[in-house]
Amino acid sequence: GQQLNQSPQSMFIQEGEDVSMNCTSSSIFNTWLWYKQDPGEGPVLLIALYKAGELTSNGRLTAQFGITRKDSFLNISASIPSDVGIYFCAGPQGGSEKLVFGKGTKLTVNP
Amino acid sequence: NAGVTQTPKFRILKIGQSMTLQCAQDMNHNYMYWYRQDPGMGLKLIYYSVGAGITDKGEVPNGYNVSRSTTEYFPLRLELAAPSQTSVYFCASRPGPNNSPLHFGNGTRLTVT
Repeated sequence: GQQLNQSPQSMFIQEGEDVSMNCTSSSIFNTWLWYKQDPGEGPVLLIALYKAGELTSNGRLTAQFGITRKDSFLNISASIPSDVGIYFCAGPQGGSEKLVFGKGTKLTVNP
Repeated sequence: NAGVTQTPKFRILKIGQSMTLQCAQDMNHNYMYWYRQDPGMGLKLIYYSVGAGITDKGEVPNGYNVSRSTTEYFPLRLELAAPSQTSVYFCASRPGPNNSPLHFGNGTRLTVT
């Protein structure tokens, strides 16, 4: 099945720094989703991308749907302590009802 | 709306025991999913359902069963618990296809010893 490869696996940054993480696939995706998971909770949707080349922002977060449809990135500007968590990319497998997830990028922000 | 509600939050099982993880959603969503999350491994799809009476296997269905008799409920059954099933289980739902995003519950942490 399709796999989503996220990088980096983990990041340790200082408060105020910008963060960039990405997700790649060997197959084309028609939708890219970015989720954040806080400790002890379920993932929460941050940004949804539906069109190749699309650039979407949600506050300090910006995500882009790659032109090739095989990648997406998420940027966080001016990080704050509450940005700590695991960030997942996800997309529909083969355009179907199944949503597959990457392994996540664990973000630690030092105050 | 309560969203997606999972019970219990925690459970410890002995090898060979059985249990049912409950999931309910009050958003009238047609699509429901069960994922398991192992440390550093992301989320793997166990089973999903596109409507009442319809279920299908995901990536890792072995050792699990599901049923979907109503739109609201999507229980996950473990018949013979094994240590490999120690994980955090998440139920999720969405209205339907057409790129609608998933809404997750807060998870059930299961330990099998």
